[in-house]
Formats: sequence, structure tokens, C-alpha cells
Amino acid sequence: DTGVSQDPRHKITKRGQNVTFRCDPISEHNRLYWYRQTLGQGPEFLTYFQNEAQLEKSRLLSDRFSAERPKGSFSTLEIQRTEQGDSAMYLCASNPQGRATYNEQFFGPGTRLTVL
Amino acid sequence: AQTVTQSQPEMSVQEAETVTLSCTYDTSESDYYLFWYKQPPSRQMILVIRQEAYKQQNATENRFSVNFQKAAKSFSLKISDSQLGDAAMYFCALTKRGGGSNYKLTFGKGTLLTVNP
Repeated sequence: DTGVSQDPRHKITKRGQNVTFRCDPISEHNRLYWYRQTLGQGPEFLTYFQNEAQLEKSRLLSDRFSAERPKGSFSTLEIQRTEQGDSAMYLCASNPQGRATYNEQFFGPGTRLTVL
Repeated sequence: AQTVTQSQPEMSVQEAETVTLSCTYDTSESDYYLFWYKQPPSRQMILVIRQEAYKQQNATENRFSVNFQKAAKSFSLKISDSQLGDAAMYFCALTKRGGGSNYKLTFGKGTLLTVNP
């Protein structure tokens, strides 16, 4: 399967701990997005990478959040000093560059974070 | 700023019947794409259908079709001959078409579709 993968699928942590999630996009996709989805809501944009460059961050991404995409391949999203309000599904999506793509994004299965 | 509104938190349909999910949106972009994504329980989000705003013809994909009313900023999804596998959360989403490279999606809150046998 060559789809978008995310690891771990589930993470339970205690308040104040740091967590890191990983996303592996489809290999030829140079654009990568992180979204957060809370219960009963649609996904909300967090940040965007084109290759290794982080080109946009949402105001939702507080100073406790950091994302990287070294070498323009996989990406990591770290949350420091987790709070209960960080509990959500974190989704990763990717798409390739090119006019024929219709800007469709391909989503991973998500990482469900529970902060106790 | 872009907004997407789905006014139906839940819908239900009998198997083999037709159901329509509503979506309205607002954007300052002159050209954009609209999408319907399906998110089955505990499974990843997949694209159901897309519509280019510059095209007047409504998109269709097998049993799925849209009613795109650009002036009214309305984009509804019709599912014909509903199947049990159609049960899922459906999200309407919007992104710009040109200008820059960040094609982030703006989603509605979703409509939970139940299909009754």
C-alpha cells in the first residue's frame, strides 16, 4: 500500500508530557499538510510544507507545537507540555504539484491523541 | 477567509433510496475547488467527488452527483441507490485553485449519514 501513513494510530499521554507524531506521505508528493479534528468538528488546518519548507502555520498552532519535514520526505508534529485541550485526531495529508491534481489531498488514517 | 457550512449534523436514508446532503460556502477566491470527502468510522478520509468552480456542469461519479449553484454558493451531494457502505461522516470542503502553493482545505462540520437496511 503506497498511501499516506501515520504513526502511532493512538496515543494516550498525561498532561504535561511531550508527544511526537510521524507522517509518511505518498512518495512523490511534495506538499504535506497537518490538520486537527476535534469531536464533532471538521478538520482544521494546522500547517503546510512544500518539500522541506514550512510555508504556513495556522494561529491554532501555538508555541507548544512544532512541525518539521527534514529532507522533504516524512514529517513530524511535536506537542510539548500537552494539555487536555490538545486531545484530538491529528490528520496528515499530501498532494503532488501540478495542475492535473485538482488540488485533491490524500489523507492518512490519523493519530488519535488523548491527554489525561 | 473561507467558510463552509453543513447545516445537517445527521441524516438517514433507507438502503436503495436517494439522499441529498447540503453544503453552503463563502470565499473571496475567484476560482476554487469544492470537494465532498467521506470518513467512515475509524477509517481514513477519502475523496468522493470534486467540482471545479469554473465548470458549470455538475460533477458525477457513479452513484454520487453534485448540484453546484455558484451564485447561491451552494454545493449539495446526492447519493443515489444508497448502500450500507455509504454510512459515514461526509465533509464538504473548499480550496483555492490558483495563486501560490498552499491549497489548504476548509471543511464544514460534517454530516453523519446512516443507511438503514
